Amino acid sequence: DTGVSQDPRHKITKRGQNVTFRCDPISEHNRLYWYRQTLGQGPEFLTYFQNEAQLEKSRLLSDRFSAERPKGSFSTLEIQRTEQGDSAMYLCASSLFAPQLVAGELFFGEGSRLTVL
Amino acid sequence: AQTVTQSQPEMSVQEAETVTLSCTYDTSESDYYLFWYKQPPSRQMILVIRQEAYKQQNATENRFSVNFQKAAKSFSLKISDSQLGDAAMYFCAYRSAWTGTASKLTFGTGTRLQVTL
Repeated sequence: DTGVSQDPRHKITKRGQNVTFRCDPISEHNRLYWYRQTLGQGPEFLTYFQNEAQLEKSRLLSDRFSAERPKGSFSTLEIQRTEQGDSAMYLCASSLFAPQLVAGELFFGEGSRLTVL
Repeated sequence: AQTVTQSQPEMSVQEAETVTLSCTYDTSESDYYLFWYKQPPSRQMILVIRQEAYKQQNATENRFSVNFQKAAKSFSLKISDSQLGDAAMYFCAYRSAWTGTASKLTFGTGTRLQVTL
């Protein structure tokens, strides 16, 4: 499978615990995005990387959230001291960016669903 | 900031019939892209169709077509000859053409499409 893969697909945790999600993008894609989707809502942008550099973070991303993309390949999203309000689907997407490309398509993973008890 | 509004939380269509999903958006920009994404249950989001704002011609992809009204800031999706596999959540999304926004998508809240026999 050469699509975007995310792990784990489901995570149930108790409030206050730390969780980490992993995303493996399409191999030739240089941009990687994290979105959060709550029930009944569309995905909301959290952060994105171009290669290994984190270039933008949403105000939605509190200090408890941290994302990395070492070596510009896979990415991890860690949530520390989880709260019930963190319960959501965390979506990863990747794209190929080049100045000559028009509106590079985002390819999404199936998401990691987090439930905080 | 840009906003995307989908006023139809749910729609239903009979197999082989045609259905139109509505989307309106608000922006002060003149150059941008609009997208319709499909999210089947427990599956990843996939791109259905894309429209560049500078193009007057409406985009078409097989059974899917859009009605893009730039002045009215309206972007509806028409699905012809509906099939059972079209059942999914459909999200309308906006992206600025300015490269500084890093392909960041702003999504609507989605329309759940049911296809009946």
